[in-house]
Amino acid sequence: GAVVSQHPSWVICKSGTSVKIECRSLDFQATTMFWYRQFPKQSLMLMATSNEGSKATYEQGVEKDKFLINHASLTLSTLTVTSAHPEDSSFYICSASGQLNSPLHFGNGTRLTVT
Amino acid sequence: GENVEQHPSTLSVQEGDSAVIKCTYSDSASNYFPWYKQELGKRPQLIIDIRSNVGEKKDQRIAVTLNKTAKHFSLHITETQPEDSAVYFCAALAYSGAGSYQLTFGKGTKLSVIP
Repeated sequence: GAVVSQHPSWVICKSGTSVKIECRSLDFQATTMFWYRQFPKQSLMLMATSNEGSKATYEQGVEKDKFLINHASLTLSTLTVTSAHPEDSSFYICSASGQLNSPLHFGNGTRLTVT
Repeated sequence: GENVEQHPSTLSVQEGDSAVIKCTYSDSASNYFPWYKQELGKRPQLIIDIRSNVGEKKDQRIAVTLNKTAKHFSLHITETQPEDSAVYFCAALAYSGAGSYQLTFGKGTKLSVIP
């Protein structure tokens, strides 16, 4: 079945540093990938929609200069949390789909802790 | 944009009983409705989905119903088992323009199955 690989699984960083999270579709081409954020005991909140070869579409309230998204190929999207702060600590999950209306496949998520 | 409401937020049932989770959506153009199960600290796993041209779908102990007119869909789990305990999310997929689409999640239901 379709697999989405997300790395790293967890990361601890200091305030002010930047962290890059990778999301790869391993056996299919994903023209669109989604980035979500999930706080404890809460639902998945869509941060942005990443379209290959074009700028990402950010949800209201998500700072595009802070959460940089690059979708340079049909199999790779990256989310960079710039100048991380403790409030950015969260569980970040990507998902991708090969076709419209086909099931989304999720990465395993990245648990980010900013100290 | 799409708005998905999910109820209840928590649900406790005795082992062997049935569990029902309900969702409503606002965008009549939504045409794909997946349900995800998320265990603590793990990624969401697709458990069942339904498309708008179908009113009901069943997979062993899990079934989903869709009422397009009323814009609501429900997840039914029969003969619940302790391993069904998790957080369940409904979602609705709608076309968001410019060749892209968006999946909107409900806020989740924490299901606890009591042995």
